[in-house]
Amino acid sequence: NAGVMQNPRHLVRRRGQEARLRCSPMKGHSHVYWYRQLPEEGLKFMVYLQKENIIDESGMPKERFSAEFPKEGPSILRIQQVVRGDSAAYFCASSRMELYGYTFGSGTRLTVV
Amino acid sequence: KNEVEQSPQNLTAQEGEFITINCSYSVGISALHWLQQHPGGGIVSLFMLSSGKKKHGRLIATINIQEKHSSLHITASHPRDSAVYICAVRWETSGSRLTFGEGTQLTVNP
Repeated sequence: NAGVMQNPRHLVRRRGQEARLRCSPMKGHSHVYWYRQLPEEGLKFMVYLQKENIIDESGMPKERFSAEFPKEGPSILRIQQVVRGDSAAYFCASSRMELYGYTFGSGTRLTVV
Repeated sequence: KNEVEQSPQNLTAQEGEFITINCSYSVGISALHWLQQHPGGGIVSLFMLSSGKKKHGRLIATINIQEKHSSLHITASHPRDSAVYICAVRWETSGSRLTFGEGTQLTVNP
């Protein structure tokens, strides 16, 4: 019974490249949340998805960032044309139902050089 | 503005000491979470509370809804408890997403 799986654990991208971060929720969990932790800052909400639907994207930057959670496969957080300010740890969490407890993944540490 | 405040920001203790970390929030919540984060590591959910008190091993979490305050206690602290402890809340009006405190860096010395 694997937990929330995020990959890759570490990702290095040059400025202008695309970054794709993957999150496989726990078995039986259909709700996925993405959070970002900038260096020396606290965690901030980005987006909440259920299968094939974006429920709340109020924390997503307006440009270059997108997220999806297809019917089959992991949730993907995509950052286009990365800039140095995108360097951060990106955490995914999943839950069985809305308002239930969360299980967090180990995070993806993105470094933009 | 909906806010979550933790204190202290940093805490150093000797092995065996009783530890308390505090969390205050500004408006009504549907749940409060205590999380643990080790350096370079992932995040572990310790407790989810909406009222009263919960205990797991040496960890105890309490919440006072009227005072909008929660505490995390660690009894008989150990160096392996060294980590960042984060309080996070679900506001009554914001669905299921979490708002986080800045975290408390705990160091327990042997």
